Amino acid sequence: NAGVTQTPKFQVLKTGQSMTLQCAQDMNHNSMYWYRQDPGMGLRLIYYSASEGTTDKGEVPNGYNVSRLNKREFSLRLESAAPSQTSVYFCASSHLNEKLFFGSGTQLSVL
Amino acid sequence: GNSVTQMEGPVTLSEEAFLTINCTYTATGYPSLFWYVQYPGEGLQLLLKATKADDKGSNKGFEATYRKETTSFHLEKGSVQVSDSAVYFCALRSGGSNTGKLIFGQGTTLQVKP
Repeated sequence: NAGVTQTPKFQVLKTGQSMTLQCAQDMNHNSMYWYRQDPGMGLRLIYYSASEGTTDKGEVPNGYNVSRLNKREFSLRLESAAPSQTSVYFCASSHLNEKLFFGSGTQLSVL
Repeated sequence: GNSVTQMEGPVTLSEEAFLTINCTYTATGYPSLFWYVQYPGEGLQLLLKATKADDKGSNKGFEATYRKETTSFHLEKGSVQVSDSAVYFCALRSGGSNTGKLIFGQGTTLQVKP
């Protein structure tokens, strides 16, 4: 049971570099989400995708882009990384408004 | 807008002690309420939920009651174990939402000592 798989687990970037965080789920879920987790602030929604072919902004979308490549995959791209984007990133999926299943996270440091 | 506020942590308890983690919310309409738990090095997983006022969610000895009059959803457990050490997140989903979008509180770290 793979569930939600995120890669990479750890990444260090320099300011201005770009990278893509990958996420895939094998539960045939319609909806997928990207959250960031910062100390004292809980999890904040960056982008979500209610179904294949659709994406919408969440609470903190600035500096990020997403692609819902197909039903399984939902990627998050940082075009020009900034130190303020140092965080732990979680991908999640759900069937409509049922419970969220989370990946194990990507720890990103931007120097 | 909608928001969730949890008590500050960390909470440190001895094994078999009683646990309460406070959670209050601000929301329009009738949200659904959740507790998620994050064990070290893992993603979050659903612990329990309640979808309407006076509902009690329960799982693994944890309980929380949806109190609309006090806009609260406090998490309780009668006797904690070392294995309960984790970060606990209270969350809400707007009433009538057809997606799983959640608004999370800031999280409360629980440390249980043997």
